[in-house]
Amino acid sequence: AQSVTQLDSQVPVFEEAPVELRCNYSSSVSVYLFWYVQYPNQGLQLLLKYLSGSTLVKGINGFEAEFNKSQTSFHLRKPSVHISDTAEYFCAVSDRTDSSYKLIFGSGTRLLVRP
Amino acid sequence: EAQVTQNPRYLITVTGKKLTVTCSQNMNHEYMSWYRQDPGLGLRQIYYSMNVEVTDKGDVPEGYKVSRKEKRNFPLILESPSPNQTSLYFCASRLFPPSTTNEKLFFGSGTQLSVL
Repeated sequence: AQSVTQLDSQVPVFEEAPVELRCNYSSSVSVYLFWYVQYPNQGLQLLLKYLSGSTLVKGINGFEAEFNKSQTSFHLRKPSVHISDTAEYFCAVSDRTDSSYKLIFGSGTRLLVRP
Repeated sequence: EAQVTQNPRYLITVTGKKLTVTCSQNMNHEYMSWYRQDPGLGLRQIYYSMNVEVTDKGDVPEGYKVSRKEKRNFPLILESPSPNQTSLYFCASRLFPPSTTNEKLFFGSGTQLSVL
């Protein structure tokens, strides 16, 4: 069964510094990959997705992620973070062969941006 | 405005008292799903539905029921809540099957449930 690992439960970073949030998934079968963001007291919103094509995916708010099939990773990056990026970030994967297109979520990484 | 609406936002109840959390979407989505969010565990799927009258278990269905009598509504029912069901619950919807241009889950704002 597919699984998603987000090794870092919390990442503190200073404003304007770069950040990388790590995500690894378990299986090398064809997958769709996603990052969702959850701001305080809100539901999740899609940040970016990889379905096919270029392995470097750009999302909203200056975030990008790179799909690495050999390392089964989909790390999220931003070159310069803002206070407003403080939120919880969830990586998710969907197996292309699953007819229900079920989304499996990681445990989340809390990004804490300090002034 | 496209949205998924959950009610109530907060709910405190006692063990064994039946409750229903409502979920409604206005996007004509075929697929709807319930998740619970617990610290360190991320989101786990409880039940999902791929269309009217079609529902299936997710990863943690024990103690929950759902129904899908209308396309827009997907209520979550706890017949006899227990303290281990204290959690943050999210309803979500999307098109089904998803397309490469519209593959996106829309989430409600969440329901924080406390079972005493």
